[in-house]
Amino acid sequence: GDSVTQTEGPVTVSESESLIINCTYSATSIAYPNLFWYVRYPGEGLQLLLKVITAGQKGSSRGFEATYNKETTSFHLQKASVQESDSAVYYCALGAQGTGSKLSFGKGAKLTVSP
Amino acid sequence: SVLLYQKPNRDICQSGTSLKIQCVADSQVVSMFWYQQFQEQSLMLMATANEGSEATYESGFTKDKFPISRPNLTFSTLTVNNARPGDSSIYFCSSRPAETLYFGSGTRLTVL
Repeated sequence: GDSVTQTEGPVTVSESESLIINCTYSATSIAYPNLFWYVRYPGEGLQLLLKVITAGQKGSSRGFEATYNKETTSFHLQKASVQESDSAVYYCALGAQGTGSKLSFGKGAKLTVSP
Repeated sequence: SVLLYQKPNRDICQSGTSLKIQCVADSQVVSMFWYQQFQEQSLMLMATANEGSEATYESGFTKDKFPISRPNLTFSTLTVNNARPGDSSIYFCSSRPAETLYFGSGTRLTVL
């Protein structure tokens, strides 16, 4: 089946340090998977952080970046300099194109940024 | 985009009882999805609900245990029947009107 494996938390980083949260995927039933990073800040619901629907492309948002690498089946999330406000749980997900298609999620990585 | 309003935000119930979780969208959406998430685990898709038809359930979830109604294009209800402590988790409704999946704020259920 289709699945996502990501760095599992907790991840602790000091403010202004760099961050990478690994994500690899397996898309056995999806020819052209779309890849997503979702984030849940404390006390809030899940929200989209960034998405990439074409292999080889990079998505970015709020200083975070992720490149859709079809060769290594990876979609790692990176940020050059984290802030305390980035503390949240990050989920990698994949799904087929189309409005009716479900997403498969990783287990989430809880990031804590210390001041 | 679509905004999804879920209620209640949290609920505590006794084993053996049933409870309903409502999800309302601010615009019409074709499909609504219900996800379950145990603490520090992945979100698991429970079922897909389209208007006017029976929900389609994923492996491990059944209509008898988790009946879902979808009476129109903006509303869905998830019921948890005969609740057990093992059902304690967060339940999310979601929809994907374009490429992005949007979520409600979740309902944290605790079954005593």
